[in-house]
Amino acid sequence: GEDVEQSLFLSVREGDSSVINCTYTDSSSTYLYWYKQEPGAGLQLLTYIFSNMDMKQDQRLTVLLNKKDKHLSLRIADTQTGDSAIYFCAESLGSSNTGKLIFGQGTTLQVKP
Amino acid sequence: DGGITQSPKYLFRKEGQNVTLSCEQNLNHDAMYWYRQDPGQGLRLIYYSQIVNDFQKGDIAEGYSVSREKKESFPLTVTSAQKNPTAFYLCASIRDTMNTEAFFGQGTRLTVV
Repeated sequence: GEDVEQSLFLSVREGDSSVINCTYTDSSSTYLYWYKQEPGAGLQLLTYIFSNMDMKQDQRLTVLLNKKDKHLSLRIADTQTGDSAIYFCAESLGSSNTGKLIFGQGTTLQVKP
Repeated sequence: DGGITQSPKYLFRKEGQNVTLSCEQNLNHDAMYWYRQDPGQGLRLIYYSQIVNDFQKGDIAEGYSVSREKKESFPLTVTSAQKNPTAFYLCASIRDTMNTEAFFGQGTRLTVV
């Protein structure tokens, strides 16, 4: 079945780069997403990548996709205290065409000043 | 401003009660979704609706019910049959199921007292 896995916690110092990793199982995924959730709030879409792409860069964010290994990563350059949040990796299933998203457990990013 | 609104933000339920969570969107989106979030488990799909007057069960539909009488509204009822309803509930919408971006509400935290 579909499954998305993430490590649960990452701690970095302000100004360092953060790398959050994700693995998924469904090879028919069409889009892969990164969402950010601040405490007590909903999810905000940060960026997404189409499954036929290897990399996407958007300002401080870089997404890398290794389709062979079904591995997705999000790199945040020059991490700031405002980046502290939970980050979710999610995939949409091309085979289902329902718009359903399969989420990982979320990685809590702690940024120390 | 267009967006997706959930209410209330906090909800308390007594044992044996049904409660209804509201989700309204003014984005003219076709598809709407209800997810449940528990700590360390990511988001799990409860119900979804791709079009008015039609909805489908997600992965954890037992103890929940929905309706989609209007395009803008997708209320979720947590029934007394749901044995462990304490969680954070998130509503989302997508313009159509081929679209890439899901918009999320700010969530409702339901607590059983």
